[in-house]
Amino acid sequence: GAGVSQTPSNKVTEKGKYVELRCDPISGHTALYWYRQSLGQGPEFLIYFQGTGAADDSGLPNDRFFAVRPEGSVSTLKIQRTERGDSAVYLCASSRYRRGTDTQYFGPGTRLTVL
Amino acid sequence: TQLLEQSPQFLSIQEGENLTVYCNSSSVFSSLQWYRQEPGEGPVLLVTVVTGGEVKKLKRLTFQFGDARKDSSLHITAAQPGDTGLYLCAGVPPGSSNTGKLIFGQGTTLQVKP
Repeated sequence: GAGVSQTPSNKVTEKGKYVELRCDPISGHTALYWYRQSLGQGPEFLIYFQGTGAADDSGLPNDRFFAVRPEGSVSTLKIQRTERGDSAVYLCASSRYRRGTDTQYFGPGTRLTVL
Repeated sequence: TQLLEQSPQFLSIQEGENLTVYCNSSSVFSSLQWYRQEPGEGPVLLVTVVTGGEVKKLKRLTFQFGDARKDSSLHITAAQPGDTGLYLCAGVPPGSSNTGKLIFGQGTTLQVKP
């Protein structure tokens, strides 16, 4: 594909439910990032993958959040026992490498609403 | 505490006016980036500044990196309604150059009225 795609674009769930958010990065990009953006704020880093491994998960808020990238391409962000405070736009980005100056290409995000 | 502080957070101006957005930090960054984000979309990179004192121009947008690499500014000349959006500064925090993870400022929402 031409860019980073994320599905679903919108997800409404009830408090306590489990959700999965999917990210398809640009083909050939080895680095993948997840960010969370609350209304009117800048994105907040969650986790970074280099290939299949989570190289930095320091931004995950607690153990209800987990992400995988089993084949080094598609990634899934998983949230257990969702809470209303989890409501936000979840952004995925990919870059060819991991150097700080490499361009990160962002997807359109998944808007998660927890009722 | 925000590592990158942006100001102002909201700006509403008339078409044709000039404006400046600031991004400040107490930490030194190896580089800073500016993004523009429109509703329902992800941020799109506008520019990366790497060298202290560097100035880059992108049509009517001028970006400057502070001499000490702790701050940056974005100046828009003769703003147009198409400039409306959320402007974000971002950088790789000290000690994280291996990962490339970005930290963002809070963003500046710019509204340019016709």
